[in-house]
Amino acid sequence: DVKVTQSSRYLVKRTGEKVFLECVQDMDHENMFWYRQDPGLGLRLIYFSYDVKMKEKGDIPEGYSVSREKKERFSLILESASTNQTSMYLCASGTGGLDSPLHFGNGTRLTVT
Amino acid sequence: AQSVTQPDIHITVSEGASLELRCNYSYGATPYLFWYVQSPGQGLQLLLKYFSGDTLVQGIKGFEAEFKRSQSSFNLRKPSVHWSDAAEYFCAVGLSYNTDKLIFGTGTRLQVFP
Repeated sequence: DVKVTQSSRYLVKRTGEKVFLECVQDMDHENMFWYRQDPGLGLRLIYFSYDVKMKEKGDIPEGYSVSREKKERFSLILESASTNQTSMYLCASGTGGLDSPLHFGNGTRLTVT
Repeated sequence: AQSVTQPDIHITVSEGASLELRCNYSYGATPYLFWYVQSPGQGLQLLLKYFSGDTLVQGIKGFEAEFKRSQSSFNLRKPSVHWSDAAEYFCAVGLSYNTDKLIFGTGTRLQVFP
């Protein structure tokens, strides 16, 4: 079974802090994604990556950056956390085509105070 | 622009009752359509998908969905809901077969009463 592991289930950070959210997948998937989930807004794509060291902006990249130094790991970085970044963050990985489903982690609930 | 609309934010049904969750999409080309479920504290799990062919597709956990091109809809159904079906349900559209980038709807939260 594919496993996508997000390192923290809950995080509480202060405004202005630099925050790292980590995601690791164990199935050698090419593609990895970071989504943000908010009530009434569904899942919105922040960034995605099709290969190591490769990244593309999603629909809401402002205030975020990403890093993919190894194929299995995709990090989401909040350079200077703000209260409006309080949210649930979901990582996903996939093979690169629609014939196989995306596999999601259980999410990291981030609170910025 | 491509979009997915789930008009029902929250639905409550009694256990054993039938269920229909609505999904409408806006996309010019042939859509690739999905339903995912998110149980409390979990990530999303694929229920079913539609690419082409038979417009009625079967999924896991007894769910099915029907693609209606004329209505731009892909509604999810289950004839008899179980308490364990309480979750959030997301409809999604894929833009291209060769990429797994998806656009998700806003979700419908299903509550099941005994």
